[in-house]
Amino acid sequence: ETGVTQTPRHLVMGMTNKKSLKCEQHLGHNAMYWYKQSAKKPLELMFVYSLEERVENNSVPSRFSPECPNSSHLFLHLHTLQPEDSALYLCASSQGLAGGIKQETQYFGPGTRLLVL
Amino acid sequence: RKEVEQDPGPFNVPEGATVAFNCTYSNSASQSFFWYRQDCRKEPKLLMSVYSSGNEDGRFTAQLNRASQYISLLIRDSKLSDSATYLCVVTGGGADGLTFGKGTHLIIQP
Repeated sequence: ETGVTQTPRHLVMGMTNKKSLKCEQHLGHNAMYWYKQSAKKPLELMFVYSLEERVENNSVPSRFSPECPNSSHLFLHLHTLQPEDSALYLCASSQGLAGGIKQETQYFGPGTRLLVL
Repeated sequence: RKEVEQDPGPFNVPEGATVAFNCTYSNSASQSFFWYRQDCRKEPKLLMSVYSSGNEDGRFTAQLNRASQYISLLIRDSKLSDSATYLCVVTGGGADGLTFGKGTHLIIQP
């Protein structure tokens, strides 16, 4: 049903591992986002890309590294993570860049549930 | 710091009842407002945008009060399938203005 897919759906990694999360949107949208959702905390916006250019980096630690090779794909490269990074990582896309006066709807992928040991 | 506050609940409501909850926001320059719905272990999905004049979609009514800086969601004739977490989203001032509330957990009881 969703036009936004994410892989893997679940990931367990050690603190010394390197892994990547992948997001793909099939909606022809121009903006893509990474969010972190932890228990009992609101969704935290991590990165925003518009037309493949990063427009926002919300003070995210450098152990998270985004990559947007084209308007349909978004990656989040992970390295030397900490246990407190365990969370649900959600990707979203929208036709235009959300955050302004225009009511841009964001479409979310199913998320990757990450556990860092 | 931009903040969006919601009562986390849970709101336990009998089927068929009317339920309403609010969301307050701190940034007076906020421009766009939304309600998203998130089912357990699923991704958020747009329920409805909130317009200045208020808007209705079936059993759901959303209102915006700019003077008091809150938005509200009213659900009439609640169904069991309405059980979910309702997320308030406020935007303004660019992409860094995208702010989600923690959500209000609603449980509709038979």
